[in-house]
Amino acid sequence: EAQVTQNPRYLITVTGKKLTVTCSQNMNHEYMSWYRQDPGLGLRQIYYSMNVEVTDKGDVPEGYKVSRKEKRNFPLILESPSPNQTSLYFCASSLAVREKLFFGSGTQLSVL
Amino acid sequence: DAKTTQPNSMESNEEEPVHLPCNHSTISGTDYIHWYRQLPSQGPEYVIHGLTSNVNNRMASLAIAEDRKSSTLILHRATLRDAAVYYCILRDDDQGGKLIFGQGTELSVKP
Repeated sequence: EAQVTQNPRYLITVTGKKLTVTCSQNMNHEYMSWYRQDPGLGLRQIYYSMNVEVTDKGDVPEGYKVSRKEKRNFPLILESPSPNQTSLYFCASSLAVREKLFFGSGTQLSVL
Repeated sequence: DAKTTQPNSMESNEEEPVHLPCNHSTISGTDYIHWYRQLPSQGPEYVIHGLTSNVNNRMASLAIAEDRKSSTLILHRATLRDAAVYYCILRDDDQGGKLIFGQGTELSVKP
């Protein structure tokens, strides 16, 4: 089944403890992206990747890192999480920039 | 960055058609118009997209104005499962993949 898989689904952590949210797609998509969703602010893009080894900042990249070493994986790294990064995170992918996006099921992160 | 404007909320009755408008007056010639919807506690789901001509698929129809400054998502017969937030966004290679989601339209469907 074609899908975007995020893990974990839920994560509670403490301030400053490094964490990684994984994202994997099985559709051989070139484009991948991360979003966060907060009440009243909607979906905001964190980082995106046009292809392997090519990443760029979205609208809210501060406090996040990404890497794209392989086409299928696009992990989101929080080196030193803070409470303001408590949010619902979505990974998405598409065959190309103009094509339809497939979203993962989301990761609810709470930073205490 | 190209932006879209949508009404915050709309209501519909079950079994009736719904027309969800989107304004994108700063659209460029190569921007594709995409629509997604998000059900509660789920990730956004693709609905439809188009460039210039009207488009139909099993979920909906997309009507694009001749000047492309606006578009309308049409749900032909709303069901209770269509209650969601609907997002209209523009996608283009020239933007390098950067996307801006607006606030979307929250559609409620009454039985």
